[in-house]
Amino acid sequence: DIQVTQSPSSLSASVGDRVTITCRASQDLSNYLAWYQQKPGKVPKLLIYATSTLQSGVPSRFSGSGSGTDFTLTISSLQPEDVATYYCQKYNSAPYTFGQGTRLEIK
Amino acid sequence: EVQLVESGGGLVQPGGSLRLSCAASGFIFSTYSMNWVRQAPGKGLEWVSFIMSSSSAMFYADSVKGRFTISRDNAKNSLYLQMNSLRAEDTAVYYCAPGVGWPPRLEHWGQGTLVTVSS
Repeated sequence: DIQVTQSPSSLSASVGDRVTITCRASQDLSNYLAWYQQKPGKVPKLLIYATSTLQSGVPSRFSGSGSGTDFTLTISSLQPEDVATYYCQKYNSAPYTFGQGTRLEIK
Repeated sequence: EVQLVESGGGLVQPGGSLRLSCAASGFIFSTYSMNWVRQAPGKGLEWVSFIMSSSSAMFYADSVKGRFTISRDNAKNSLYLQMNSLRAEDTAVYYCAPGVGWPPRLEHWGQGTLVTVSS
């Protein structure tokens, strides 16, 4: 099975900072990589799919990039409401493995 | 509006069984693949199982293979997860989520149902 490694596991940044989270797969995902945001006590929310396609209603400060095995979620200007845990997920084929998660806090 | 309501969770002893249900509405259930995803308390998301719209194929995480069975009833707009030989490490909130597109991404999630495996 393809392994998915997400980093960092936690991150603290200031409002307005540019934040980057990475996800690395052990094999080519053909760009079928999604990012989810889960706020405390809430259900996960799809942010980005197919590496870089922004889900409807998601603020444009979120973006995704990458190809093959290396992917990045970027928040261009961190806002207080972005405090959450972020997960990547490979969905090119089963098993549809999630990354370990990145807990994002405001400094 | 898509609505997904999971039920059937509760407290069960190790080695026991439980059947989860997910009642779906607001979309044409019979045309969507479906997934179960779980989250242990304070832990990350773990994909558990997938079923095609026609039940023609099912997939499982290695951690549940041989113990859990996913099924669906398109006439009742319902998804199920039969969980046998439950272990403490199966304790989690279980979410159902339709797969959108192919390959399937998870655009909508239910609120989840808590399964606690403990003696």
